[in-house]
Amino acid sequence: EAGVAQSPRYKIIEKRQSVAFWCNPISGHATLYWYQQILGQGPKLLIQFQNNGVVDDSQLPKDRFSAERLKGVDSTLKIQPAKLEDSAVYLCASSRQGWELFFGEGSRLTVL
Amino acid sequence: AQTVTQSQPEMSVQEAETVTLSCTYDTSESDYYLFWYKQPPSRQMILVIRQEAYKQQNATENRFSVNFQKAAKSFSLKISDSQLGDAAMYFCAYRHAGGTSYGKLTFGQGTILTVHP
Repeated sequence: EAGVAQSPRYKIIEKRQSVAFWCNPISGHATLYWYQQILGQGPKLLIQFQNNGVVDDSQLPKDRFSAERLKGVDSTLKIQPAKLEDSAVYLCASSRQGWELFFGEGSRLTVL
Repeated sequence: AQTVTQSQPEMSVQEAETVTLSCTYDTSESDYYLFWYKQPPSRQMILVIRQEAYKQQNATENRFSVNFQKAAKSFSLKISDSQLGDAAMYFCAYRHAGGTSYGKLTFGQGTILTVHP
């Protein structure tokens, strides 16, 4: 089966600009996650969707980050306006109603 | 809140030898899962091995095994017969067993493993 697809793989923007990342989970996976991985650190969960509803967004900086999951399939993570500290890899993952997560290759954001 | 600590930023091993990566965690829960993930330069996180806290037997997956010490809250990964392809960043991760938090993994800081030919 196809894996978790993410795009773009790389993005460079100036601070205060906006950026959007897209994720297409594995077919049939109801749960979708966005993680932020800052260089040298472990990933941190930003938001978790169950179908198209939000289960957990407690660590999402809601003043600048937003995410949606259209029709319970694809998801978009947006940052507006970006700050220098948002430079990171944004990982998308999906899972069935269970525990094993499958990760995409991530989108690397550099904010100058 | 749960925390996961990996105290070894970097480790190295000779090909065909054995290496152990350390992980400790802190939780007040009694039922949880522990994982080791591998992240090669391609950035895709790959599950290496998992351990259910209620199981006393240590998990094993081919050349990978864990030493799970629940009382000490320790969860180390042993890689036997190391191969060049094992070179990667390794993350220890914790997940509470209850509720809808299937994906709320708490990760450690990671250990970079270098394998020398």
